[in-house]
Amino acid sequence: EAGVAQSPRYKIIEKRQSVAFWCNPISGHATLYWYQQILGQGPKLLIQFQNNGVVDDSQLPKDRFSAERLKGVDSTLKIQPAKLEDSAVYLCASSLDRAGQETQYFGPGTRLLVL
Amino acid sequence: GDSVTQMEGPVTLSEEAFLTINCTYTATGYPSLFWYVQYPGEGLQLLLKATKADDKGSNKGFEATYRKETTSFHLEKGSVQVSDSAVYFCALRRTGNQFYFGTGTSLTVIP
Repeated sequence: EAGVAQSPRYKIIEKRQSVAFWCNPISGHATLYWYQQILGQGPKLLIQFQNNGVVDDSQLPKDRFSAERLKGVDSTLKIQPAKLEDSAVYLCASSLDRAGQETQYFGPGTRLLVL
Repeated sequence: GDSVTQMEGPVTLSEEAFLTINCTYTATGYPSLFWYVQYPGEGLQLLLKATKADDKGSNKGFEATYRKETTSFHLEKGSVQVSDSAVYFCALRRTGNQFYFGTGTSLTVIP
């Protein structure tokens, strides 16, 4: 079974530029998550989708971050404009939306450096 | 709100030493509890989980018991190896599939 795919793996941009990340979850997984992991901290949930609907985006900085999951499969996360404090690893994860199948499976992450 | 608190690291142990990493949680209802591990240069992987009180999760010699009375889910291993060097994250899942992670505990095992 293929895992969660993310691209790019690394990105370096200057502040005020825009950047987009892509995620392809495990086939059949209804729930998709985007996390921000700042160096030395645990993952912080940015947004959670169930199919193509948003379940939780309470910690997403909506003035600069946006995300979409068209057709309930792939997802993109965008930052526009980026700030220095956005430097982090952006993790995508997916899970089955089924009792007893709560495990999240994580992608390798996209490491973003904002200069 | 729901949250997870882990013991701070870093933790350094000699090979074959006993490991305990403390984790306590705050949650309404009955969350599921997880330990995830992040090896150097790799993504987060599920290590073990427990879905109800008194359940014990185990994998690769690691164990953790879901203690509702103390709201804890401490990670233990009887004899650590160099290959166990990684960052360990405690997490809880509440209804609605929402996850909360601790800050992580870095473990280094020296030969």
